[in-house]
Amino acid sequence: QKEVEQNSGPLSVPEGAIASLNCTYSDRGSQSFFWYRQYSGKSPELIMSIYSNGDKEDGRFTAQLNKASQYVSLLIRDSQPSDSATYLCAVIRRGGADGLTFGKGTHLIIQP
Amino acid sequence: SQTIHQWPATLVQPVGSPLSLECTVEGTSNPNLYWYRQAAGRGLQLLFYSVGIGQISSEVPQNLSASRPQDRQFILSSKKLLLSDSGFYLCAFAGTGVTEAFFGQGTRLTVV
Repeated sequence: QKEVEQNSGPLSVPEGAIASLNCTYSDRGSQSFFWYRQYSGKSPELIMSIYSNGDKEDGRFTAQLNKASQYVSLLIRDSQPSDSATYLCAVIRRGGADGLTFGKGTHLIIQP
Repeated sequence: SQTIHQWPATLVQPVGSPLSLECTVEGTSNPNLYWYRQAAGRGLQLLFYSVGIGQISSEVPQNLSASRPQDRQFILSSKKLLLSDSGFYLCAFAGTGVTEAFFGQGTRLTVV
């Protein structure tokens, strides 16, 4: 079963606050994890990748992975109106040739 | 640098007409190539993937087909479109192994 689950939202966060996005996955064979941002009508854009347990920081973004709990999260610090988008969680199973399995995404709204 | 080109950006086709969407990748050799579809309000669904020339794997049975005539060219086709084929079609590529995927601009297909 290749299932990735996200709360569809919308998640409304005030400008300047921390936005927290969550994702769970069912396939314990998954070994690579990604967060994509998708603006309305546009294609997904990769913003973070994480491969091992713990935190990974890149600018205002922090990805967190807990393989034991099969849980991935994305934190966005100092949220800006331009962060308003749908955030897609994606995983690749061991081997990876059959591509990414995506969640349905969380719609994030940053309120000015 | 690696780039991916997908065209056309939008397409309106009558029911029963044929379809051909093309995707090309530059700056990389032997990429894994993918076709995804995103229906309105739904997640990304993997349709086909290819790990090499002439090698196509289908994830979902449907009236669509894919071909990979050259290393960096991926084509999505249909002989007769259905209304349910409407959606946002995305081509993506990834390096060999367990790596992130990068998307083309997408084709918004409306079958009328």
